[in-house]
Amino acid sequence: GAVVSQHPSRVICKSGTSVKIECRSLDFQATTMFWYRQFPKQSLMLMATSNEGSKATYEQGVEKDKFLINHASLTLSTLTVTSAHPEDSSFYICSASGFGGHYEQYFGPGTRLTVT
Amino acid sequence: GQQLNQSPQSMFIQEGEDVSMNCTSSSIFNTWLWYKQDPGEGPVLLIALYKAGELTSNGRLTAQFGITRKDSFLNISASIPSDVGIYFCAGQSNDMRFGAGTRLTVKP
Repeated sequence: GAVVSQHPSRVICKSGTSVKIECRSLDFQATTMFWYRQFPKQSLMLMATSNEGSKATYEQGVEKDKFLINHASLTLSTLTVTSAHPEDSSFYICSASGFGGHYEQYFGPGTRLTVT
Repeated sequence: GQQLNQSPQSMFIQEGEDVSMNCTSSSIFNTWLWYKQDPGEGPVLLIALYKAGELTSNGRLTAQFGITRKDSFLNISASIPSDVGIYFCAGQSNDMRFGAGTRLTVKP
């Protein structure tokens, strides 16, 4: 149980384009989904928290117009990186909580974004 | 952001040795979690602790939720090469905070 998938696993895009990353909880309904960014050899940095049907809550310093989050259902959240720049290149990981009525987060496998 | 102090930052051990790592915080948490992350992958939940004083095992892994609710440790017994990776602690109350990670290297 508690499987979270992400798609795509890696993506290369050109500067100025937009990229959408999907996060799905495959075997449970996630009350909350989270989006993280991770730089090499560093811990996870929370970008935003989202609940189904409501607006995401962004962490300080994260531009909500640049990182658009849509939480359309209890099993799907998407992160769109708009007008991507090379400095947006990173490892993006989503997580979902709510499995078994607990609040611990289960993570997806991550998406490696490279902006050229 | 990180509000947990995780140590050690890295460990180089011989296969078969036991490993111990811990996390401390100035804040109280309701849940302590330990994750392992392999390169290029997302973190995988190893152990979740829900009560102060709780001691939980998962195979060769043992973790404890400190009595003060401000700390936790993870022990790995008889390490094997596939234990290599980064181990993160996380404390959860209203939100979840992560430690900086312990990078474990196991020499065969």
